[in-house]
Amino acid sequence: QVQLQESGPGLVQPSETLSLTCTVSGYSITSGYFWGWIRQPPGKGLEWIGNVYHSGSTYYDSSLKSRVTISVDTSKNQFSLKLISVTAADTAVYYCARQTYGSTSPWGQGTLVTVSS
Amino acid sequence: QSALTQPASVSGSPGQSITISCTGTSSDVGGYNFVSWYQQHPGRAPKLMIYDVSTRPSGVSNRFSGSKSGNTASLTISGLQAEDEADYYCSSYTSSSTFLFGGGTKLTVL
Repeated sequence: QVQLQESGPGLVQPSETLSLTCTVSGYSITSGYFWGWIRQPPGKGLEWIGNVYHSGSTYYDSSLKSRVTISVDTSKNQFSLKLISVTAADTAVYYCARQTYGSTSPWGQGTLVTVSS
Repeated sequence: QSALTQPASVSGSPGQSITISCTGTSSDVGGYNFVSWYQQHPGRAPKLMIYDVSTRPSGVSNRFSGSKSGNTASLTISGLQAEDEADYYCSSYTSSSTFLFGGGTKLTVL
């Protein structure tokens, strides 16, 4: 059974870098699939951030592309999200998930990241 | 890219059927059979209910069904139950090799 778990700081200072890691268990990242990040601001809808293919190719939402980097650490079976120059608008629950072209599942439980001084 | 368009809310009585629409463009919903639907209860992670337009994952009730016509996809829930009350989101792969989500629909079971 594939499981994903997000980890990282829950509080980030404005203008700093948000860094999160997703640890995957029950499946090797190198075996296939896209591995993605999705966020949900408090009380709002889901927003796709981007994903990384098992080969290392990355794809990002156009509105975040200039600030986002997603990478894979195959030795730890993890993938990571870095979002630079954060503002209060980046406050959200961040989810990691496995993706195919037609589905996003399973999801991690989500982690709330608050941008505030 | 703009989010896919969903109604903000729908409601129905127990036992009834409801349909939630998801409208995109020929560059996303209309261009690929890669539409999926998610159920989200408060404080919980989204759960996949339908993938590839109309396929139900193992364990999802057959009361949930999906379809697509042109640039609009639909999720139908038949035999509404109290436990179906939740937020529902559609998603589609796009011609830019990205993914879009809908704005979400709050389902109220009266």
